[in-house]
Amino acid sequence: GENVEQHPSTLSVQEGDSAVIKCTYSDSASNYFPWYKQELGKRPQLIIDIRSNVGEKKDQRIAVTLNKTAKHFSLHITETQPEDSAVYFCAASSGGYQKVTFGTGTKLQVIP
Amino acid sequence: DVKVTQSSRYLVKRTGEKVFLECVQDMDHENMFWYRQDPGLGLRLIYFSYDVKMKEKGDIPEGYSVSREKKERFSLILESASTNQTSMYLCASIHSARGNGYTFGSGTRLTVV
Repeated sequence: GENVEQHPSTLSVQEGDSAVIKCTYSDSASNYFPWYKQELGKRPQLIIDIRSNVGEKKDQRIAVTLNKTAKHFSLHITETQPEDSAVYFCAASSGGYQKVTFGTGTKLQVIP
Repeated sequence: DVKVTQSSRYLVKRTGEKVFLECVQDMDHENMFWYRQDPGLGLRLIYFSYDVKMKEKGDIPEGYSVSREKKERFSLILESASTNQTSMYLCASIHSARGNGYTFGSGTRLTVV
């Protein structure tokens, strides 16, 4: 089955700096890569996703890049703000029944 | 507002009890999932269902079973609860045509004593 590794497990940045979270996946058939944000005490919510026919996708201060050859994908957050503090999960899916495999999560702390 | 509702936010059960966790969605989604969330381990898939009465094992199905008698309801059953099943359980659903990712429930924090 699919295996998704995520690094780092914790990340602290100063407000205004950038944050990068990296993931690797094992199944070359995976074609959909969502990112979820989970604020403390709340449910995970989708913040951005990318499909395998696209190398990069941006949405305001967040962007995701995908390197299919290396089986790497990354989340980039620019101009971080305190409200970006949360746990972020990457995930990968090969499409069957929309089942995704999650990474282990990155706890991002943005220091004001 | 679309919703996935989990019946209990907190549960405390004794070892050996049979435990039912209920999840209901009002979005007419075909696919429903049960994950457990543990620190440092992320979200791990227990079971999922892609249609009424259909179920598939996820990555960690041991000690669990599920029931999907109606499209909107997906139940997770711990046949004989054990302390290593103490965890946060999250239900999620998504439409088969894959819209905007999973919609998660608010979670059930289960403690087995």
